Formats: sequence, structure tokens, C-alpha cells
Amino acid sequence: EIVLTQSPGTLSLSPGERATLSCRASQSVFRSQLAWYLQKPGQAPRLLIYGASTRATGIPDRFSGSGSGTDFTLTISSLEPEDFAVYYCQQRSEWPLTFGGGTKVEIK
Amino acid sequence: EVQLVESGGGLIQPGGSLRLSCAASGFTVSSNFMTWVRQAPGKGLEWVSIIYNDDDTTYYADSVKGRFSISRDNSKNTLFLQMNSLRAEDTAVYYCASGLDIWGQGTMVTLSS
Repeated sequence: EIVLTQSPGTLSLSPGERATLSCRASQSVFRSQLAWYLQKPGQAPRLLIYGASTRATGIPDRFSGSGSGTDFTLTISSLEPEDFAVYYCQQRSEWPLTFGGGTKVEIK
Repeated sequence: EVQLVESGGGLIQPGGSLRLSCAASGFTVSSNFMTWVRQAPGKGLEWVSIIYNDDDTTYYADSVKGRFSISRDNSKNTLFLQMNSLRAEDTAVYYCASGLDIWGQGTMVTLSS
């Protein structure tokens, strides 16, 4: 099983600041099979990034993804109030498909 | 409007069975792979099962293998998850999803004696 480790567990930032979230895989993940989701309380996850770096439909360009192999990063260039939520990375390279444990981005 | 609507959750005793449904509108359940993902209260996301649209291949998480079964009825445009021999640790919100980007709102399954 590919284990995805997200760090930090919690990120305390202010609106307007830059957020950098990490997702590290226990073995190499095909770049095309790495995605990032955002989840707000009581809501379903929402796809942000797929293929490691492609923004999903309607996702603003302050969100960007990068990385390959075992190290992937989600960057939010300037936090908006609606961005404070939990973020998950996900891999589909091999079954079982796995999610990272999540990074909570909270208002400082 | 493109959407998925889950139903069938509820309160059930350990050892019981439930069948979750996921009705699609605005697109067809045969157009992409379909998955069930669950989230225990206060916890992260866990893949449960997947069915691929090209050859109907299915996979299950080890935690549910042999107890859960995923299926799809194209005529009803609906995805199903048959859950048997339910355990306390199956308590979660169950989401269905089409591909990566279309998710339902979730249905809660609670195990309690």
C-alpha cells in the first residue's frame, strides 16, 4: 500500500499569506495519478488539482500543484477566507487507492 | 445539473446489512469509474471500493473485502454498495463519486447496538 504522509498537520496562517502543503509518498506515484482535494466541514471533498499540477474546472489560479515521484506540493499563493479548510492528497497509482491524512489550514 | 445523490444510510446493529444507493443525474454512471469513499466521524478519507467503467473490474479495501459489494445498474443510472456483516468500525459518512470530480453529499451509516 502506498502511504501518503501530509505535512504539516495544521497550518495557521492569515488571509493573504502563502500556504505550502506537502504530500510525501512511501513509494513513487505516477504524476498523472496524484490529486488534491479541499474539504469544508459537513461537505463532500472538492477536487482542486489532478495530474499533480492541473487545476480542476473552476479552481482559481491561486492554487497550484507541483512535484513528482514521492514528493508533491500544493501551494495557495494568497489565502482567501474561503480557503480555510482541510486539504487531502490522493493517489491512484495502485490499489488500494489512498488518501493522505490531511492538512488543516486554519485562520491565525 | 450534474449531481449524485446517495441514500440508504441509517442506524443499524452490528452484524446487519445495508444497501446504499447513489443516483446520478446529468450524466451516466457508465461514463467513468465510480467509487465509494467513507469518512469516520472526525477522521480522514478512506477509499472503500471502485468499479471501472470499461470492464467492470472492481476492487475493495482490505477492511471491507468479502463483506461489501459494489455494483452499477446502468438502466437506473445508479451505483450501489451492498454492505453485509457490518461492524462498529464501519460507522462513517459514505460518499459516492464519479471520476475525480463529481461527488455526492454523503449518507451516514451508524452502527450501534
